[in-house]
Amino acid sequence: RKEVEQDPGPFNVPEGATVAFNCTYSNSASQSFFWYRQDCRKEPKLLMSVYSSGNEDGRFTAQLNRASQYISLLIRDSKLSDSATYLCVSLDSSYKLIFGSGTRLLVRP
Amino acid sequence: DAGVIQSPRHEVTEMGQEVTLRCKPISGHDYLFWYRQTMMRGLELLIYFNNNVPIDDSGMPEDRFSAKMPNASFSTLKIQPSEPRDSAVYFCASSLKLGYGYTFGSGTRLTVV
Repeated sequence: RKEVEQDPGPFNVPEGATVAFNCTYSNSASQSFFWYRQDCRKEPKLLMSVYSSGNEDGRFTAQLNRASQYISLLIRDSKLSDSATYLCVSLDSSYKLIFGSGTRLLVRP
Repeated sequence: DAGVIQSPRHEVTEMGQEVTLRCKPISGHDYLFWYRQTMMRGLELLIYFNNNVPIDDSGMPEDRFSAKMPNASFSTLKIQPSEPRDSAVYFCASSLKLGYGYTFGSGTRLTVV
């Protein structure tokens, strides 16, 4: 079983829609969590950190549920430019980043 | 800052040949990481350095892979001999702090035929 699991998608949504991705992690000792964004044939880039209290950055909201060991990312008012692969990432007890395989989002006009 | 710089961007080589991938981290970043990305396995950490010293190479697939960091501004990942299953995108990343604020390079797309 992978340490960080994500639905690969693709999620195909119209512009303006709200879309949510979930991710589960297996290591309860994981310390921190992040969402990275990766455009096609590009490098991953940090989108946002995930805190237990939940955090928001513009149209993006991330949430962590330690009891159920899942992380979520909500995107409101989707834009065409949001089309990308979203990588769920955990920081393990050795301070190494463990990446999920990613969820692909396609936003259509 | 120019960011993390990797070369070459693309490499096509024949099975059995030696391949060397290069990385220049962001100046002042004490940590450097080599990752490999494939469709099947996603992004995997191969090795990381702190202040030019290899700290964890448990992700290096086998003895055919080696990595060096002779100084703070340069690192190499070498595959000798290369095999078709080594075909992947290899990313280098650097950071000030372990686990946070990673900046990735544009990657080297390696194809071994």
